[in-house]
Amino acid sequence: SQQGEEDPQALSIQEGENATMNCSYKTSINNLQWYRQNSGRGLVHLILIRSNEREKHSGRLRVTLDTSKKSSSLLITASRAADTASYFCATVSDNRDDKIIFGKGTRLHILP
Amino acid sequence: EPEVTQTPSHQVTQMGQEVILRCVPISNHLYFYWYRQILGQKVEFLVSFYNNEISEKSEIFDDQFSVERPDGSNFTLKIRSTKLEDSAMYFCASKASGSSGELFFGEGSRLTVL
Repeated sequence: SQQGEEDPQALSIQEGENATMNCSYKTSINNLQWYRQNSGRGLVHLILIRSNEREKHSGRLRVTLDTSKKSSSLLITASRAADTASYFCATVSDNRDDKIIFGKGTRLHILP
Repeated sequence: EPEVTQTPSHQVTQMGQEVILRCVPISNHLYFYWYRQILGQKVEFLVSFYNNEISEKSEIFDDQFSVERPDGSNFTLKIRSTKLEDSAMYFCASKASGSSGELFFGEGSRLTVL
């Protein structure tokens, strides 16, 4: 079944550094989305990239998509302590627009 | 800002009991979802609901689970006879449109089955 798989599972970096998280998936997609989850809270949508897009920016976030490799990356530049959270990619199939499948997530910890 | 609200925030129940988790999606949204997350693990898709019927469900969503949208505002998840392994956070989400839409999540309902 279609599923996003993020790596690394956990990442600790110093405040101010850039954080890169990767996501791989298995089948054709309509779009790929990234979400953030603070501990014990609901998920919050960060950014969506469509299958015909290769790169997208939003503030300190940069997302890339390589459909030939079935992979995406999320880059957070100039990380802050408040960026500490889990980050999930989610894929939307190109033939089912109502099923959104999440990966296992990357736990990001920003060290002060 | 519109938000998805879920109740209860935490429910403790005995194994075998029925549980109903309630959600109020954002009012003009058309697609509704339930996800579950066992502590610290992945967010698992349970079911999607559109046009007053289930549009997709996962293998987890067996005969013990059901969803309803009884009154045009609430969206409920019922577990008929809870098992220990049903203990998890259950998240409701909604989105306005089809494939291009982002999901808006509630804060979740923590279910503890004893």
